[in-house]
Amino acid sequence: EAQVTQNPRYLITVTGKKLTVTCSQNMNHEYMSWYRQDPGLGLRQIYYSMNVEVTDKGDVPEGYKVSRKEKRNFPLILESPSPNQTSLYFCASSLTGMNTGELFFGEGSRLTVL
Amino acid sequence: RKEVEQDPGPFNVPEGATVAFNCTYSNSASQSFFWYRQDCRKEPKLLMSVYSSGNEDGRFTAQLNRASQYISLLIRDSKLSDSATYLCVVFGGATNKLIFGTGTLLAVQP
Repeated sequence: EAQVTQNPRYLITVTGKKLTVTCSQNMNHEYMSWYRQDPGLGLRQIYYSMNVEVTDKGDVPEGYKVSRKEKRNFPLILESPSPNQTSLYFCASSLTGMNTGELFFGEGSRLTVL
Repeated sequence: RKEVEQDPGPFNVPEGATVAFNCTYSNSASQSFFWYRQDCRKEPKLLMSVYSSGNEDGRFTAQLNRASQYISLLIRDSKLSDSATYLCVVFGGATNKLIFGTGTLLAVQP
């Protein structure tokens, strides 16, 4: 089954404790992206990657890191999480990029930072 | 001003009703337009693209008005299963990125 898989789905952590949210897609998609979704603010892009070893900042990259060592994986790293990073995070992928508008989203990872 | 604006709702409608949502965008250079659907606590999923001439997919009709910079989504014969948040998405313009609206909540009542 074609899908984007994120882990963990739910996580409660404390300020400053490094964490990684993994994202994997099995559709051989070139493009991958991370979003956060907050009430009243909608989906905001954190980072994106057009291909292996190519990553770029989105609209809200501060406090996050990403890597794209393999085509299928695009982990999101929070080196020192803070309470303002409490949010619902979505990983998404697309065959070619944003212009087609067809993004496939993972099920989301709900992160709480205390 | 937000780049993409939607009425958050909720729109509470009875089954069988016709309901329409509008979405306005600020950048006239925007190139492509889409509607996504997001069920409660789930991931967004592409509902349909919006073409200049308007397009229909079953009970759903999407239209684009470039002059007034808005797109619309019309749902006919609403079903309980249509209850969800509908996200307006715009691509292009200065940022050359996908910009998501905050969504309009639709609740179809029995």
